[in-house]
Amino acid sequence: RKEVEQDPGPFNVPEGATVAFNCTYSNSASQSFFWYRQDCRKEPKLLMSVYSSGNEDGRFTAQLNRASQYISLLIRDSKLSDSATYLCVVNGGIGAGNNRKLIWGLGTSLAVNP
Amino acid sequence: DVKVTQSSRYLVKRTGEKVFLECVQDMDHENMFWYRQDPGLGLRLIYFSYDVKMKEKGDIPEGYSVSREKKERFSLILESASTNQTSMYLCASSSILPDRGRNYGYTFGSGTRLTVV
Repeated sequence: RKEVEQDPGPFNVPEGATVAFNCTYSNSASQSFFWYRQDCRKEPKLLMSVYSSGNEDGRFTAQLNRASQYISLLIRDSKLSDSATYLCVVNGGIGAGNNRKLIWGLGTSLAVNP
Repeated sequence: DVKVTQSSRYLVKRTGEKVFLECVQDMDHENMFWYRQDPGLGLRLIYFSYDVKMKEKGDIPEGYSVSREKKERFSLILESASTNQTSMYLCASSSILPDRGRNYGYTFGSGTRLTVV
């Protein structure tokens, strides 16, 4: 089983749609959770951290379910500029070494169409 | 603004050459990382470093070495480049929140696309 699993997609949605991505992780000791966005042939960039209480940043909402080891990202009112690959990321667990390392999903591809 | 700078955006090298990829960060981060990214395989960790002169193997260290002589600089060395090392190489740095050791997440450089011919 992969440490971080995501549906690769692609998700093709019209502008204005709401789209949700899910991710599961295998290490129950993980403490830090993130969504990154990666545009084609560019480096990943931090979209948002994910907190236990859930958090929102404009059109983006992230949720964490520790019991189910599940993370989600919801994008409302999709824009053409949201087209990218979204990477689910968790840290390696407790301990100095594991805490510093991030474990990366393979990403979910989103295409927002006019 | 936080910055991680990789020395080259594109590089073409011959098989057997020794290749140096340089990465510099200006955020005083203690942690630095080298990844390669290939289609369908995602980000794979090559080496990382917690501190000056410290290094740890990642998931795919074979054929690579690293050097961290100063806190801001982390170099990746391909001892004898081979065609299967053609890839996008990404450097990242991070810090750890002092409270409960939560991870801030990584900041990446813009990557070096290396082609070995």
